[in-house]
Amino acid sequence: DQQVKQNSPSLSVQEGRISILNCDYTNSMFDYFLWYKKYPAEGPTFLISISSIKDKNEDGRFTVFLNKSAKHLSLHIVPSQPGDSAVYFCETDSNYQLIWGAGTKLIIKP
Amino acid sequence: DVKVTQSSRYLVKRTGEKVFLECVQDMDHENMFWYRQDPGLGLRLIYFSYDVKMKEKGDIPEGYSVSREKKERFSLILESASTNQTSMYLCASSRTGWWDEQFFGPGTRLTVL
Repeated sequence: DQQVKQNSPSLSVQEGRISILNCDYTNSMFDYFLWYKKYPAEGPTFLISISSIKDKNEDGRFTVFLNKSAKHLSLHIVPSQPGDSAVYFCETDSNYQLIWGAGTKLIIKP
Repeated sequence: DVKVTQSSRYLVKRTGEKVFLECVQDMDHENMFWYRQDPGLGLRLIYFSYDVKMKEKGDIPEGYSVSREKKERFSLILESASTNQTSMYLCASSRTGWWDEQFFGPGTRLTVL
């Protein structure tokens, strides 16, 4: 039973537009969420995080939104650039559990 | 910059062989982790260590063991490799808190024939 779900295996977005990646979770006790980005043949790299006491965190072109009542997390990338083409994972840490979504492959079209 | 290195990028082994995957981090991180990544399943935690000689099972420890004799080095051992252990293995480290961002190595693509 997947506790963290990324329901879109892939997403295609035009360069310059907004990319929105989504993540749903089941346990309201999850209290910290992280997004990682992964290029082929490399390990994931940390992108941005959010604590459950916040509903938004911004870092440059990347913004993460947390909707606790809906148990939903989203990552917005504005504007999307070709270098953003990668697989994006959401991850949560709670009570010594590390739970990862299956990933969404983002393709930025020129 | 944190650097996490893994001993091999690609490895091919035969069923029944003992396999060692080595991971070294150079930033004095307390925590180290071993994951495997399979298509459609994301990253699954095999084992982690929060201190030298300390280890804890993750979600899928069966068929694996680990060793952390020095702070900077965390080894994953497949005692008797099987074909269902063919996967991408990723090592990571993090500073102190469980919630800290993890720094990953480049991964080892293991094929068991």
